[in-house]
Amino acid sequence: QSALTQPASVSGSPGQSITISCTGVSSDFATYKYVSWYQQHPGKSPKLIIFDVSYRPSGVSNRFSGSKSGDTASLTISGLQADDEADYYCTSYATRTTLVFGGGTKLTVL
Amino acid sequence: QVQLVESGGGVVQPGGSLRLSCAASGFIFRRYGMHWVRQAPGKGLVWVAVIWHDGSRQYYADSVEGRFTISRDDAKNTLYLQMNSLTVEDTAVYYCARDQGATNYQLDLWGQGTLVSVSS
Repeated sequence: QSALTQPASVSGSPGQSITISCTGVSSDFATYKYVSWYQQHPGKSPKLIIFDVSYRPSGVSNRFSGSKSGDTASLTISGLQADDEADYYCTSYATRTTLVFGGGTKLTVL
Repeated sequence: QVQLVESGGGVVQPGGSLRLSCAASGFIFRRYGMHWVRQAPGKGLVWVAVIWHDGSRQYYADSVEGRFTISRDDAKNTLYLQMNSLTVEDTAVYYCARDQGATNYQLDLWGQGTLVSVSS
């Protein structure tokens, strides 16, 4: 059982916005600033799209945004596009020296 | 070209060993912490291990502690994962990934992965 809980799936139509939640089990999660999100298309390697809760790496579309409130981090994708259809994973510390991934969320663009 | 290229995957019997390699290029390897992450067929990502940028510390997921060893050779710009006492549950694509900094556990560069299949 992952220490980070994500919905198994979400869906949206092109142009709409969706939000994927990531809830931490550990009471420390609310204090962690190193929360990141990854996008993985089928058969491809993961790609970092959000780091430090809300920052985007260079080259990542500003349609992707991250936030955190208490024990829940969120990834919002606005203006959904067909190419956004992928699996999304959140990560943070499991302990101060180990990392845990959420279970992953499959985004379907209708 | 900034990239990571894994190699060394293959088919191995339960109880066997395998060593994975990850060749880094296009960046100053010794400045970065490095990780291994795996993904079983049809499943999610699972963190495996990390090694500090200077090689001074290594940490492992509970599921591999005592069986796997992460190491690095900065002269060769290469990361390794020695895997011993393999079980069928270790079957997965193994990715190496670069830490965003010395070590903040955010992975900004990934390899293409190498498949390890443990089967009798």
